[in-house]
Order: sequence, then C-alpha cells, then structure tokens
Amino acid sequence: DIQVTQSPSSLSASIGDRVTITCRASEGINSYLNWYQHKPGEAPKILIYGASSLQTGVPSRFSGSGSGTDFTLTISSLQPEDFATYFCQQSYSPPRTFGQGTQVDIK
Amino acid sequence: QVQLQESGPGLVKPSETLSLTCTVSGGSISTYYWNWIRQSPGKGLEWIGYIYYSGSTNYNPSLKSRVTISVDTSKNQFSLKLSSVTAADTAVYYCARESSVAFIAAAGTSYYYYMDVWGKGTTVTVSS
Repeated sequence: DIQVTQSPSSLSASIGDRVTITCRASEGINSYLNWYQHKPGEAPKILIYGASSLQTGVPSRFSGSGSGTDFTLTISSLQPEDFATYFCQQSYSPPRTFGQGTQVDIK
Repeated sequence: QVQLQESGPGLVKPSETLSLTCTVSGGSISTYYWNWIRQSPGKGLEWIGYIYYSGSTNYNPSLKSRVTISVDTSKNQFSLKLSSVTAADTAVYYCARESSVAFIAAAGTSYYYYMDVWGKGTTVTVSS
C-alpha cells in the first residue's frame, strides 16, 4: 500500500494567516493527490484534486501544489470558516489511502 | 444537488455482521464509483472499498475477507456488509461518490479520481 504522511497533525493560526499543510507519499504518485476539508458533524468536502486543481465553488485562497511524493495545501489568508480538519488522499492506486489529518484551530 | 445518507444499526454485537446502506438522492447512481470509508476513534480515515454502478468491486486487502459491497440501482442505493466484527470495527462509517476528470498525460488520456460527494457519516459501535 502507498502510505501518505501528513504534517503537522495540528496547528493554531489567526485570521489572515497563511497556512501550509504537507503530505508525503511513500512512493511516487504523479499528481494523484486530493485535499479535503472536514468540519465536525458535516460531510467532508473536496477542495483540490489532481494535486492542484481547485474544485468548482472552492474559494481561491485554497491552492495545492506538488508532484511525485511531496505535496502542499496552502490557505493564503485564513478565514473564520476555515477552522476545520484537512486531510489528503492518494488516488494513484488502490487501496485508496489517506493522510492522518491536520486540525486547524484558532490561536 | 446529489446527497448521500448512511443508514443502519448503531450497535452491533461482536462476531456478527455490520450492515449499512447509503441512499443516493438528487441524482443517479449510474456512471460513478461508490465508496465506503471509516474512521475509528482517534485514528485516520481508512478506505474500505468501492463498487462501480455496474457491480464491479475493489476492496481494501486488509478487510477483503470480511467485506461485501453491493449496489441496487433500482433503489439508488449501495450497501456495505462487514462480517465477524470486533471492537476494532467501531468507527464512523462514511459513504462517498467518486468522480473522475480526464486529462492528457504523456501516455494518452488519464483520469484523476476524487471523492466529491460524501455522507455525514454514521457511528457504529461493536459491543455486547
């Protein structure tokens, strides 16, 4: 199985901060990496697919980059509605695997 | 707008079979892959498997011997059965639709797959 290691596991940030979350795959996965946002009691929401493609309707402050084994999710200016857990997922090959998640909370 | 809703017993006894159903509303179950994913307390997400609307399946090898995913296109539902459960199967279970987008790669046309619609999840506890 392809392992996906996500860091950090949690972070505290202020409104307006630039936030960066990383995922590293145990082997090369080209650009087959997706990013999701999850708030308690809600359904997870796709933000980025194919490492850098913004899903329709997702604010442009979210961006993704990377290829191969190293990937980054960036929130350019953190907004109140962005406090949530973020996780990555590889779709290069089954079984699908996920990062452990990053909880973003208010500093 | 497509929505997914998980349903099934919230409590299952050890050694019995966990059975969940995901109902698809606002759209057709045809043409997509339909996934089950779970998250155990304090752990990350674990992919259980998927079924294509035509009935072909792919399971996580770690669970393959105990998992069956089926689809009922007439009811716009797909289901999960997990046999011989233990306390380790206690988790929030999610269903999710997997979509694809084509792109031109060096070797020709390829596809990005991503889960674009999720249910809110249902908690299943395994306990006697």
